[in-house]
Amino acid sequence: QLVLTQSPSASASLGASVKLTCTLSSGHSSYAIAWHQQQPEKGPRYLMKLNSDGSHSKGDGIPDRFSGSSSGAERYLTISSLQSEDEADYYCQTWGTGTHWVFGGGTKLTVL
Amino acid sequence: EVQLVESGGGLVQPGGSLRLSCAASGFTFSSYDMHWVRQATGKGLEWVSAIGTAGDTYYPGSVKGRFTISRENAKNSLYLQMNSLRAGDTAVYYCARGKYGSGEFDYWGQGTLVTVSS
Repeated sequence: QLVLTQSPSASASLGASVKLTCTLSSGHSSYAIAWHQQQPEKGPRYLMKLNSDGSHSKGDGIPDRFSGSSSGAERYLTISSLQSEDEADYYCQTWGTGTHWVFGGGTKLTVL
Repeated sequence: EVQLVESGGGLVQPGGSLRLSCAASGFTFSSYDMHWVRQATGKGLEWVSAIGTAGDTYYPGSVKGRFTISRENAKNSLYLQMNSLRAGDTAVYYCARGKYGSGEFDYWGQGTLVTVSS
């Protein structure tokens, strides 16, 4: 079964960097994922698609501060030079055979 | 500029029906897969349905047989007919565009709230 696992919360200081993790379930380590940001009281916003080799393509207007990387079944989102507006929920998302779409549980990022 | 604007949410009794709409603009609507995704208060995102450019439809088990996704390309509109609604269907419902040639959602609407309660 295709499952994405995320830590419920993370925190980092203003101006610092943070690395969020999304883990693919066993047998699915080759899958690409997408990262989405959801600021409080807003709809989600697409950040990027991240492939298993670490290559990624970002959505329109996404700053260079956002980057992605991969290692095995782990997919990472790194946010550098943290700003207050980066405080949000971050979701990873993937899609599988049988045409179903799956989200991780989300990580709530607090900027200290 | 790509825009997705949902409407049609509201309060409905358990067992009732509701039809959501999503008005799309800023892109060639007929060329893209479209999705509905929902989010219960304080919870994560849950994919609800998808429709391909050829009208093929897909649902998770939680809504299959109760929800019907459709599209009207001439009106640049996406719909979600929800029947036999339950309290567990209470959520904000988002319309999302499937990225061309890939499986991720690259644009989202702002959502419409559906509350199922007596």
